[in-house]
Amino acid sequence: GESVGLHLPTLSVQEGDNSIINCAYSNSASDYFIWYKQESGKGPQFIIDIRSNMDKRQGQRVTVLLNKTVKHLSLQIAATQPGDSAVYFCAENISWTSYGKLTFGQGTILTVHP
Amino acid sequence: SAVISQKPSRDICQRGTSLTIQCQVDSQVTMMFWYRQQPGQSLTLIATANQGSEATYESGFVIDKFPISRPNLTFSTLTVSNMSPEDSSIYLCSARSGPGGTQYFGPGTRLTVL
Repeated sequence: GESVGLHLPTLSVQEGDNSIINCAYSNSASDYFIWYKQESGKGPQFIIDIRSNMDKRQGQRVTVLLNKTVKHLSLQIAATQPGDSAVYFCAENISWTSYGKLTFGQGTILTVHP
Repeated sequence: SAVISQKPSRDICQRGTSLTIQCQVDSQVTMMFWYRQQPGQSLTLIATANQGSEATYESGFVIDKFPISRPNLTFSTLTVSNMSPEDSSIYLCSARSGPGGTQYFGPGTRLTVL
């Protein structure tokens, strides 16, 4: 089936820097995208989502950008903190307003150095 | 947001035995799912747990190996049957309040099969 993938498997940043985590998706019919954060030993935690009729959405210190033309999704974290160190997954869905299922990307390991 | 708990949090089992994992959601949800996450990898959907009917399994997963129950709108179980070392993984319960809702995850059950 179609899949969601990430450009970079690991990302190391200094505390206070901005982080950008990228994700490429292949299914142009996907209409909903989510970013999850997974800390060691825990389940994925919802960060932010975006629907296909938007190209940008902001949360607290996080911004998700969606470029449907090139099928690309990114998560920007402002003023990255050591507590942001985790694995970040993007996920896509077709027919979110129906009973669609999430397809997960491979994940990016973010390491924040003090 | 939905709070999801799982029991057990971890277990070490012998080859050929079975383990049942319980998932409890703190509110009624329409949709519940079971995922598998192998070490260092992304999440793979095993099945959708349907209340009052048989679960819907993804390609590569069968009911005889992963029987699922969903007796009501807040509870589900996943059984890993006739286990082998290849079943060693993290098993995650997930829930969504309904179509268009946010999907949340439990903390996972870390299974090791010897």
